[in-house]
Amino acid sequence: IAGITQAPTSQILAAGRRMTLRCTQDMRHNAMYWYRQDLGLGLRLIHYSNTAGTTGKGEVPDGYSVSRANTDDFPLTLASAVPSQTSVYFCASSDGGQGTGELFFGEGSRLTVL
Amino acid sequence: GNSVTQMEGPVTLSEEAFLTINCTYTATGYPSLFWYVQYPGEGLQLLLKATKADDKGSNKGFEATYRKETTSFHLEKGSVQVSDSAVYFCALKNTNAGKSTFGDGTTLTVKP
Repeated sequence: IAGITQAPTSQILAAGRRMTLRCTQDMRHNAMYWYRQDLGLGLRLIHYSNTAGTTGKGEVPDGYSVSRANTDDFPLTLASAVPSQTSVYFCASSDGGQGTGELFFGEGSRLTVL
Repeated sequence: GNSVTQMEGPVTLSEEAFLTINCTYTATGYPSLFWYVQYPGEGLQLLLKATKADDKGSNKGFEATYRKETTSFHLEKGSVQVSDSAVYFCALKNTNAGKSTFGDGTTLTVKP
């Protein structure tokens, strides 16, 4: 069982470039999330989706957009990357509904914006 | 709003020492509580969880008890191993809200 697959694993990007981080899950979970992890700041929620066709803003959404065309995929797009978006990005999913809300995480995508 | 406060790290212990990582929370309603572990170079994975007051979650020798009266969910292990070296995150989730709130993480290093 693959769980959550993220791509790319690592990327160096010039400022101003557009970048899409891909996330795919095979658990048929309703809810999906994007977090960024920065030293000393823990995990911060960027965007989330409770079900296919809906998305919502987390605590740090500026500069990022997401879409949820189907249950399995939840790509994160940086329209015009800036150095402050250098971070490790984690995609996660949960079964939502009345479950306990355990999150399943991908391995992360390390992004460096120069 | 919801918040989670974890004991600041880093924590360095010798093998077989006793571990406690403190976690307290602020939340409305009756959240579920979680400990996640992140090994070097990996994503987070669930270590244990508790869904109601006085529940004890346990896994791999780690334990944490949901204490509503003190709004705490402290992580403990009686005898740590080098392989326990990782970053530990306390988190909560209100089932109605659908989003998790994480603490800042505590880095544990266990030396042989």
